[in-house]
Amino acid sequence: ETGVTQTPRHLVMGMTNKKSLKCEQHLGHNAMYWYKQSAKKPLELMFVYSLEERVENNSVPSRFSPECPNSSHLFLHLHTLQPEDSALYLCASSQEGRTGELFFGEGSRLTVL
Amino acid sequence: DQQVKQNSPSLSVQEGRISILNCDYTNSMFDYFLWYKKYPAEGPTFLISISSIKDKNEDGRFTVFLNKSAKHLSLHIVPSQPGDSAVYFCAASLEGTYKYIFGTGTRLKVLA
Repeated sequence: ETGVTQTPRHLVMGMTNKKSLKCEQHLGHNAMYWYKQSAKKPLELMFVYSLEERVENNSVPSRFSPECPNSSHLFLHLHTLQPEDSALYLCASSQEGRTGELFFGEGSRLTVL
Repeated sequence: DQQVKQNSPSLSVQEGRISILNCDYTNSMFDYFLWYKKYPAEGPTFLISISSIKDKNEDGRFTVFLNKSAKHLSLHIVPSQPGDSAVYFCAASLEGTYKYIFGTGTRLKVLA
């Protein structure tokens, strides 16, 4: 398998649930990102990990908790979300954090009821 | 405050004609600009980029122009093909950071 893979592709959860989004990259990159895409809004950067260390945390509420156990895997743990958190969550990777190109996964469509 | 703006949410073009997608930015420190293309139910895919030291970069049917004084870039697709129908995002980044700032996207529809 190649590229950036995200699971699940679709997730419906209640506000009291705890769930996780998973991202795996097979490109040998050393930086990984979480972006949020809401309707009619720009892609919003949430978190960046470089060499498994968080280097960017873009004022994201604590109900979103990232985890990067190694350079190939990235998780986004979700708990007590709000309906306005419903969005497409995109994972991306790049080499050395800035070579001018991000490789995106297909996204996880999250609906919070 | 939106640092990267795509003011046209949609654009329709006849097959074979030129498509021009525009993007404006506010931060003069941005030094790298990218265009991504997104089909429904897929993640964005990289299309073409340009460094701030250049004013034009060409790759096949795709050409990106950068006007630093106007803080404006554009993507030209010629000739346009029905398979080009997608949402196009422009993005800007700062040297030495991990921040890629995206616009809201322009939906291009190429009519056969």
